[in-house]
Amino acid sequence: GIQVEQSPPDLILQEGANSTLRCNFSDSVNNLQWFHQNPWGQLINLFYIPSGTKQNGRLSATTVATERYSLLYISSSQTTDSGVYFCAVEETSGSRLTFGEGTQLTVNP
Amino acid sequence: AAGVIQSPRHLIKEKRETATLKCYPIPRHDTVYWYQQGPGQDPQFLISFYEKMQSDKGSIPDRFSAQQFSDYHSELNMSSLELGDSALYFCASSLTSGEETQYFGPGTRLLVL
Repeated sequence: GIQVEQSPPDLILQEGANSTLRCNFSDSVNNLQWFHQNPWGQLINLFYIPSGTKQNGRLSATTVATERYSLLYISSSQTTDSGVYFCAVEETSGSRLTFGEGTQLTVNP
Repeated sequence: AAGVIQSPRHLIKEKRETATLKCYPIPRHDTVYWYQQGPGQDPQFLISFYEKMQSDKGSIPDRFSAQQFSDYHSELNMSSLELGDSALYFCASSLTSGEETQYFGPGTRLLVL
């Protein structure tokens, strides 16, 4: 099956800092989603981004499908951004999502 | 906007007992997915249904079964529970004909004692 690798595994920031999270995948995909899992366990959709660039407030994402990677940018980070960020991909052969192991983000005040 | 509804939100069971988790997808969504997330792990795909028919199957134990009903809600039945079944169980739904974003419910946190 497809492999999804996220980096870095852990990231500690001071409030106000910017960060870039990376997701590499091993094969062509139909779908790529970024999620934020908050401390209560909820998985919150951030982006549906199989290709191209999208922005939503302080967050933006870019997927370069031909090179099989996606980047999530967080600007002016806030303590509420803390949690685990997952990248998940849908292979061309099916609809299930395969998740990466996530990036644990901690934003300190 | 309506979201995916899961019930119960928390469940405590003893080993060898049975549990039933319910999922109500976003209205008009035709596909339902179940995922299991163990402690400190990423979510793993279990099973999916499209228009009430099983469409894909992942690493779902034989002790588990699932179905989708005529009103599109889905149930995950888990029998002979084991300690290792303790996890967060997510249901997600999507609309196949549109942008196929999977929207996740809040999850059911199952603890097996």
